Amino acid sequence: AQRVTQPEKLLSVFKGAPVELKCNYSYSGSPELFWYVQYSRQRLQLLLRHISRESIKGFTADLNKGETSFHLKKPFAQEEDSAMYYCALIRAGGTSYGKLTFGQGTILTVHP
Amino acid sequence: ETGVTQSPTHLIKTRGQQVTLRCSSQSGHNTVSWYQQALGQGPQFIFQYYREEENGRGNFPPRFSGLQFPNYSSELNVNALELDDSALYLCASSWDRAAPQHFGDGTRLSIL
Repeated sequence: AQRVTQPEKLLSVFKGAPVELKCNYSYSGSPELFWYVQYSRQRLQLLLRHISRESIKGFTADLNKGETSFHLKKPFAQEEDSAMYYCALIRAGGTSYGKLTFGQGTILTVHP
Repeated sequence: ETGVTQSPTHLIKTRGQQVTLRCSSQSGHNTVSWYQQALGQGPQFIFQYYREEENGRGNFPPRFSGLQFPNYSSELNVNALELDDSALYLCASSWDRAAPQHFGDGTRLSIL
C-alpha cells in the first residue's frame, strides 16, 4: 500500500528565509506526486505536480526516486505563504486508480 | 468556470441515523472522488466515481455508499452513523481518473 509521510507538523520561518517542507513516500510503482495548499478560510487547492516541473508562487519540488522524496522548496518565504501544505500521491493503474493518498500536512507560518 | 460545490456546509446528526451529502462537479469534469478528513489529519480516500461507475474504494465499510448521476454530480450516503464519522467530507472532481483533482469546501458532519 502507498503511504505519504510529512515529518513536520509545524514549520516556522522568518520572511525572506528559505523554506523546505519535507515529504517522503512509499509506493512500489511509479507514482505521481502533488503538493496541495490550504490558505486560511479557503478550500484545498493544487499547488504543483511533479510531472509539470513548473514553479508556482516561487515554489518548486523535485521528485527523488532514490530517496523516495518530494520536498517542497522556496528560496525566499513570504508572509502570504503561511498555510497548511499537503503532499499527496496518486497511483496510476490497478485498483483504486485515481486514489489520492495524502500526508498529514505541515502548517507553515512565515513571521514578518 | 463553475467550481466544485458541496451541500450542505454543516450537518448535525445522531448515532444510528443516515445522511446524504451532495456534490456538483466542476464543469467539464467526469470524475468525482470523496474524502473524509478527521481533525488534524490529511484527507482519507473513500471512493471515486468515473462516468457513473465506482472506480475504486478506500478502507471504508459498506455503510458508506455513493452515486454519480448522468450530469456527473454525486452523492455520498452514510448509514448507521457512528460517533467516529464526525469529520469534514470533501468532494473533488477531475476531468479524468488520475487527473489533478479540484476540491470543494466540504461538508462538516457532527454526530451527537
